[in-house]
Amino acid sequence: DVKVTQSSRYLVKRTGEKVFLECVQDMDHENMFWYRQDPGLGLRLIYFSYDVKMKEKGDIPEGYSVSREKKERFSLILESASTNQTSMYLCASSPPLSLGREQYFGPGTRLTVT
Amino acid sequence: DAKTTQPPSMDCAEGRAANLPCNHSTISGNEYVYWYRQIHSQGPQYIIHGLKNNETNEMASLIITEDRKSSTLILPHATLRDTAVYYCIVRVGYGNKLVFGAGTILRVKS
Repeated sequence: DVKVTQSSRYLVKRTGEKVFLECVQDMDHENMFWYRQDPGLGLRLIYFSYDVKMKEKGDIPEGYSVSREKKERFSLILESASTNQTSMYLCASSPPLSLGREQYFGPGTRLTVT
Repeated sequence: DAKTTQPPSMDCAEGRAANLPCNHSTISGNEYVYWYRQIHSQGPQYIIHGLKNNETNEMASLIITEDRKSSTLILPHATLRDTAVYYCIVRVGYGNKLVFGAGTILRVKS
């Protein structure tokens, strides 16, 4: 079974803090994704990566950065957390296009910025 | 990007088949239809996908109309644990980007 794990289920941070959200997958997938989910807005793609050290902006990258130094790990960084970044953050991974298209999601991190 | 339309909610009796419809009238020829679900407080879970033929796996069946403008996800024997939000998604672009809409809240009742 594919396993995608996220470092925390719940996180509370203060405005202005630098926040790191970690995601690890164990299926040697090339592609990894960060989404945020908010009521009424569905899932929105923040960043994705299709290879080590490669990254692409999604629909809402402002205020976020990412790091992918190893294939299995994809980190989301909030450089200076703000209250409007309070949300559920979901990480996902998938094999390359040639092998399949389904994405496997982690359990999510519910971040509250106060 | 092709958009999807789903009913906001549906109820189903436990043990009966749940049939969840989805309209995607602007789908293009090389776009797949995907179904995911999200149980409360968990990440989305992949269910099934298809291009033009009907598909079946251990979780569900996917029926796609001949013109590909709509599809139906079938859970053959719904259980209480199938209560979730079900998302019908048409795949777009490079990088496997998925665009999630509002989905259908399926409530399975005993």
